[in-house]
Amino acid sequence: RKEVEQDPGPFNVPEGATVAFNCTYSNSASQSFFWYRQDCRKEPKLLMSVYSSGNEDGRFTAQLNRASQYISLLIRDSKLSDSATYLCVADGSARQLTFGSGTQLTVLP
Amino acid sequence: DVKVTQSSRYLVKRTGEKVFLECVQDMDHENMFWYRQDPGLGLRLIYFSYDVKMKEKGDIPEGYSVSREKKERFSLILESASTNQTSMYLCASGGSVAYNEQFFGPGTRLTVL
Repeated sequence: RKEVEQDPGPFNVPEGATVAFNCTYSNSASQSFFWYRQDCRKEPKLLMSVYSSGNEDGRFTAQLNRASQYISLLIRDSKLSDSATYLCVADGSARQLTFGSGTQLTVLP
Repeated sequence: DVKVTQSSRYLVKRTGEKVFLECVQDMDHENMFWYRQDPGLGLRLIYFSYDVKMKEKGDIPEGYSVSREKKERFSLILESASTNQTSMYLCASGGSVAYNEQFFGPGTRLTVL
């Protein structure tokens, strides 16, 4: 079983739509969680850190459910520029991070 | 802004060659990491370092070694490149104890012929 699991998609949504991604993690000792965004042939870039009760940054909302060990990312009012792969990340032993394989999003005009 | 730079964006080498990939960060981060990323396999940790001259094996260290002589620089070495080491190599650094996010360099796409 993968330590961090995501639905690979692809998710194809129209501009303006709301889209949600879920991710589960297996290490109950994980304390820090993140969402990264990766454009095609580029490096992953930190999108959001996920705090204990969730947090919001503009159109993006991240939620953490420790009891069920899942993390979610909600994108409202999708833009064409949101098209990318979204990586769910949980910390593991020491200061290592474990990355999910990513969920591909395409926002269509 | 954190800046992580890698020595090459694209590299083509021949089987058996020794390959050096260099990574430099400018934020005085203690922690540095080397990953490779392959389609369908995601990001896999090769080696990491928490301090100068310190290194730890990640999930897939075979065929690789690393060097960290200065805090800002972390090098990945392929002693004898093989075709199965063709991949995107990503360096990352991070330093916070409270929030251990990592920041990535632009990556080196290595092709071994």
